[in-house]
Amino acid sequence: SAVISQKPSRDICQRGTSLTIQCQVDSQVTMMFWYRQQPGQSLTLIATANQGSEATYESGFVIDKFPISRPNLTFSTLTVSNMSPEDSSIYLCSVEIPSAYNEQFFGPGTRLTVL
Amino acid sequence: QKEVEQNSGPLSVPEGAIASLNCTYSDRVSQSFFWYRQYSGKSPELIMSIYSNGDKEDGRFTAQLNKASQYVSLLIRDSQPSDSATYLCAVYYTGGGNKLTFGTGTQLKVEL
Repeated sequence: SAVISQKPSRDICQRGTSLTIQCQVDSQVTMMFWYRQQPGQSLTLIATANQGSEATYESGFVIDKFPISRPNLTFSTLTVSNMSPEDSSIYLCSVEIPSAYNEQFFGPGTRLTVL
Repeated sequence: QKEVEQNSGPLSVPEGAIASLNCTYSDRVSQSFFWYRQYSGKSPELIMSIYSNGDKEDGRFTAQLNKASQYVSLLIRDSQPSDSATYLCAVYYTGGGNKLTFGTGTQLKVEL
């Protein structure tokens, strides 16, 4: 597996502002992912963040709203821009450990509340 | 048909019993199958992975995969109150973007 940390662990933000979430992993990984988990819901993939290329966004998620950086093989950021209360959610990063089995491991998550 | 389907529960079992959690998935190019455990307020934790038909055992957990029926299950033997959590089934699909798709999760309650 891998040791994954996220900052901040939680935040309360005002409508219209932006928040950048950081994800750090203790080993070099090619594939990093950002998910959203809304209250009482399952996980929804926002985008795949690959080092050295643009992030690949899933349907319903756009770069202007959720810009992602991936400057190296151990770090990524997700920004939630121009926030509204509907963005209140848990944001999770995950990494895929190189193997034949595509196993993903999750960070502890960032709990975001937008007022 | 949803890609990955689970009964949301809650599934209640008495302590010491076998808990059986089920998951069906759509007929796409699926490669790997996973069970995650998520405690309230925590992030998902990978507990079982299975890739080929049949059973895979790890301690009190057994994962079962039947690709012909598009069905994967998780059995928890000798259930403990600490097993009370939401269990998420996930399927790794190839083709059209390699990615992990999650079911909605089954809430398990193990009662004393």
